[in-house]
Amino acid sequence: EIVLTQSPGTLSLSPGERATLSCRASQSVSSSYLAWYQQKPGQAPRLLIYGASSRATGIPDRFSGSGSGTDFTLTISRLESEDFAVYYCQQYGSSPYTFGQGTKLEIK
Amino acid sequence: EVQLLESGGGLVQPGGSLRLSCAASGFTFSSYAMSWVRQAPGKGLEWVSTISGSDGSTYYADSVKGRFTISRDNSKNTLYLQMNSLRAEDTAVYYCAKGKTSRGTTVTPFDYWGQGTLVTVSS
Repeated sequence: EIVLTQSPGTLSLSPGERATLSCRASQSVSSSYLAWYQQKPGQAPRLLIYGASSRATGIPDRFSGSGSGTDFTLTISRLESEDFAVYYCQQYGSSPYTFGQGTKLEIK
Repeated sequence: EVQLLESGGGLVQPGGSLRLSCAASGFTFSSYAMSWVRQAPGKGLEWVSTISGSDGSTYYADSVKGRFTISRDNSKNTLYLQMNSLRAEDTAVYYCAKGKTSRGTTVTPFDYWGQGTLVTVSS
């Protein structure tokens, strides 16, 4: 099983700042089958990034993903108020299709 | 418009059974893998199970293997999760999710999610 470890657990930033979220895998994620999701309170998760760096339909270009192998990053270039939420990474290359424990992005 | 509507959640005693359903619309259901993901109260996301859209292959998390069964009825555009021998730790909101890739492969992220149905296991 591939274990995904996200850091930091909580990130406190202000609107307009840049956010960098990390996801580290216990073993290499095949073909960069790594996705990022955003979840707001009381809502279902929303797909942001897949294939480590491809934006999903309708996702603003301030969201970007990078990385390969065992180290992946989600970057939000300029935070807007609606970006404060919990973010999860997930590997979908091999079963079990595990999620990271999440990073909470909160307003400073 | 893609829509996923879960139903079947509720309160069940430990050791009991429950069957969740997910009615899908707005896409060719049989062409996509479908999954269940759960979220315990105040906790993170946990992948539960996936069924392919092509050959019906199924995959399970170790935590539910042997107790839960995923299935689909392509004629009814409906996904199911049969949950037996339920435990307190199965208490969670259960989401159904659609695979993004149209080839039916399970190697796919989840691009649409339902709103979830709450399962509570308690005496």
